Amino acid sequence: GEDVEQSLFLSVREGDSSVINCTYTDSSSTYLYWYKQEPGAGLQLLTYIFSNMDMKQDQRLTVLLNKKDKHLSLRIADTQTGDSAIYFCAEKAAGNKLTFGGGTRVLVKP
Amino acid sequence: DVKVTQSSRYLVKRTGEKVFLECVQDMDHENMFWYRQDPGLGLRLIYFSYDVKMKEKGDIPEGYSVSREKKERFSLILESASTNQTSMYLCASFSNYGYTFGSGTRLTVV
Repeated sequence: GEDVEQSLFLSVREGDSSVINCTYTDSSSTYLYWYKQEPGAGLQLLTYIFSNMDMKQDQRLTVLLNKKDKHLSLRIADTQTGDSAIYFCAEKAAGNKLTFGGGTRVLVKP
Repeated sequence: DVKVTQSSRYLVKRTGEKVFLECVQDMDHENMFWYRQDPGLGLRLIYFSYDVKMKEKGDIPEGYSVSREKKERFSLILESASTNQTSMYLCASFSNYGYTFGSGTRLTVV
């Protein structure tokens, strides 16, 4: 079955790097995603990685995928107060359904 | 940019009422989804649709139904609202690489 897990909370100082981790179980996943949710808003797609890649960089965001361990991480460089939000990882397997993790709440302290 | 519009940001309904949550996307996408989001439970898939007049049950369809009469519109129906359906409801449309979400409807059933 599909199951995606994330830690609940991360606190980081402004200017430091944040690393959010995620594990998934479905080895047939084709795409893996990171979404950001700000208070009272819907989810915004941040970035995605195809399952045959092991790294993707997009400005301050770096996604690392360890397919053997089914581990996905999102690194945010130079974290800003505007990065405070809930971050969800998600996997896409058969069809176009996504399975989401429970979300990691990131708090950026000045 | 794809736009997914949910008609209401906040709704308050009485127990037993029939409730319609509307979602419209403007990019001719075939796949549309309804999730509910609850603290500690993440996003859970209620129903999805791969095309007009098609619908598939997600993980928690009990107490809900859907309607997809036109490609751009996917409606979630609570046949007889109950207090345990108080939640944030998120609609999404699937594009090539991931979902685009609406802003969400926070429903309170009293």
